[in-house]
Amino acid sequence: GENVEQHPSTLSVQEGDSAVIKCTYSDSASNYFPWYKQELGKGPQLIIDIRSNVGEKKDQRIAVTLNKTAKHFSLHITETQPEDSAVYFCAAVGNSGNTPLVFGKGTRLSVIA
Amino acid sequence: NAGVMQNPRHLVRRRGQEARLRCSPMKGHSHVYWYRQLPEEGLKFMVYLQKENIIDESGMPKERFSAEFPKEGPSILRIQQVVRGDSAAYFCASSPRTGGDTEAFFGQGTRLTVV
Repeated sequence: GENVEQHPSTLSVQEGDSAVIKCTYSDSASNYFPWYKQELGKGPQLIIDIRSNVGEKKDQRIAVTLNKTAKHFSLHITETQPEDSAVYFCAAVGNSGNTPLVFGKGTRLSVIA
Repeated sequence: NAGVMQNPRHLVRRRGQEARLRCSPMKGHSHVYWYRQLPEEGLKFMVYLQKENIIDESGMPKERFSAEFPKEGPSILRIQQVVRGDSAAYFCASSPRTGGDTEAFFGQGTRLTVV
């Protein structure tokens, strides 16, 4: 089955700097890669996703890149703000209709004002 | 359009009691996933259900745990004879259709504490 590795586990950046979180996956058949943000005491919130037919997707300060050959994908947050502080999870899912999302272990991002 | 609704938000049970966690998917969504999260850890898949069917229960312990998603009403995750190790946050997600590249939206979770 799918295995997702996520790095780093913790990340501290100064406000205004960029943050990058990286994930690798094992199943070459996986074709959907969402990212979730989880604030303390809340459920994961879908913030951006990418499908295997594109290499990059951007939404304001957030971008995700995908390298299918190397089986890794990354989340990029530019101009970080204190409200970006949260735990971020990457996930991957295969093409079969019956496969659930498999998550990385998460990255705790702290944006220091 | 209300999001995924889970209740209760917090549940305290004594060892040996039963815990029932409810999840109402987003309107128009017929696929439900349950995940478990331990403190400082990621989300671990438990079970995937469609209306009246269990599609994948490979992540759910075979004893004491069961799940259903009836034709009418919310999905229920049931834990019988709870033990301290069952203490965790349980999240439900829903999606509108089958297919691996479908967005899944999470509820706010139920935090189960076993005392």
